[in-house]
Amino acid sequence: DGGITQSPKYLFRKEGQNVTLSCEQNLNHDAMYWYRQDPGQGLRLIYYSQIVNDFQKGDIAEGYSVSREKKESFPLTVTSAQKNPTAFYLCASSSGLAILDTQYFGPGTRLTVL
Amino acid sequence: AQSVTQLDSHVSVSEGTPVLLRCNYSSSYSPSLFWYVQHPNKGLQLLLKYTSAATLVKGINGFEAEFKKSETSFHLTKPSAHMSDAAEYFCVVQSEYGNKLVFGAGTILRVKS
Repeated sequence: DGGITQSPKYLFRKEGQNVTLSCEQNLNHDAMYWYRQDPGQGLRLIYYSQIVNDFQKGDIAEGYSVSREKKESFPLTVTSAQKNPTAFYLCASSSGLAILDTQYFGPGTRLTVL
Repeated sequence: AQSVTQLDSHVSVSEGTPVLLRCNYSSSYSPSLFWYVQHPNKGLQLLLKYTSAATLVKGINGFEAEFKKSETSFHLTKPSAHMSDAAEYFCVVQSEYGNKLVFGAGTILRVKS
């Protein structure tokens, strides 16, 4: 089955700790994205990557970091510098960055900071 | 810069009646527009997309949307609501810079039996 997997589904973190969210795709897509979703605000772009070993900041990158060492993987680290990390995090991928390249989304990870 | 306004945060319809979810966009160029659906605690699924071909776009599950440039609108419709349509719907415009998406705040659709 081709698709995007995110793990874990639910994640709890103590304030001040870094945490890494996993995103894996087997669609052979070049581009991958991380979004944050808060109630009533839609989705906001955190980081995106066009190719391996390259990534760009989105609209709300502060307090987050990413890596893209493999084409199929794009982990997101939520650092202690992120002031309000409790949210639903969604990973997406597309075959490229062209207008016709549809983004496909994973099931999401709900992060709660205690 | 591109932006999207979904005019209703919540819409409630009875099963079997028409659905209308309203979306207005702002863009300095001819945009690509999308509707995505999200069921509770799930990822987003693409319903349909407009990319400057036909202005009436048909999507999955009986949904369709009409691009009206003069009104800067891209409203989502369905002739007859089903209980399984209850979800949150996002209108999305594509940024002119690469494949970045700009999301509306979402409309929660409730379907009553």
